[in-house]
Amino acid sequence: GAVVSQHPSWVICKSGTSVKIECRSLDFQATTMFWYRQFPKQSLMLMATSNEGSKATYEQGVEKDKFLINHASLTLSTLTVTSAHPEDSSFYICSVPREGSNQPQHFGDGTRLSIL
Amino acid sequence: GENVEQHPSTLSVQEGDSAVIKCTYSDSASNYFPWYKQELGKRPQLIIDIRSNVGEKKDQRIAVTLNKTAKHFSLHITETQPEDSAVYFCAANTNAGKSTFGDGTTLTVKP
Repeated sequence: GAVVSQHPSWVICKSGTSVKIECRSLDFQATTMFWYRQFPKQSLMLMATSNEGSKATYEQGVEKDKFLINHASLTLSTLTVTSAHPEDSSFYICSVPREGSNQPQHFGDGTRLSIL
Repeated sequence: GENVEQHPSTLSVQEGDSAVIKCTYSDSASNYFPWYKQELGKRPQLIIDIRSNVGEKKDQRIAVTLNKTAKHFSLHITETQPEDSAVYFCAANTNAGKSTFGDGTTLTVKP
C-alpha cells in the first residue's frame, strides 16, 4: 500500500488564490521531505527540502515567499502556493526519503494544479 | 551541484526488441542511481536501482549497468512490450537522499 499520501490530487482555482498541498508519511517518521515540480513533458525539478521543526531549504531560483513550506510534525509537510497565477500551474509531487543517501525515496501521487 | 544528462529524449522500438537509455552524472560523490517509469499524470515508479558498489543489476527483463570511472549508467530493457511505453527517468542521489533527475526518455514500443 501507499507509504506517502498527498492531497489534493487535483485543484482548479482562480488566479490570486492560495493553495495548500499536504504530504503525509504513513508508515514511518520523516524528518525530511522533498517537494518537486514537474511541468508538462519535463523532468522533476526539486523545489525545496522540508525539514521537521526548522526552516525549509529552497533550491536556487525558487521563491520562498511564493512557496511556503511547513513541516510541523514528523508525518506531515505542507506546501502552500500563495497568490497563485497561471504560470504556477504544474504537477507538484512530494517525496519521503528513507534513511541514508543510497535508498529509494517514496513519492506521493502528486497534485495537478491548474490556475485559471 | 549534481548534473544528470539523459539520452535519447525519445526512443521508438518494435515489440520484442531491446531498448537502451543512457545517463551521465557529474558528482563523483553520488552513490545511488534509481530508474523511474512515469505514466502520464502519475507519480514516478521505481523500476530498478543500483548502488555505487555494484557494476550491474538485473531484474527479469530490466538491467542497469554502472561505470563509476566514466560516471555513466544505463538502463536496458529486453523483449519490450507495448506496456513498457512510458517516460523513463534516471536519477543520481547525493547526500540526504536528494535526487537529481535526467530530462527523461519517452519510450514507445510499437506492437
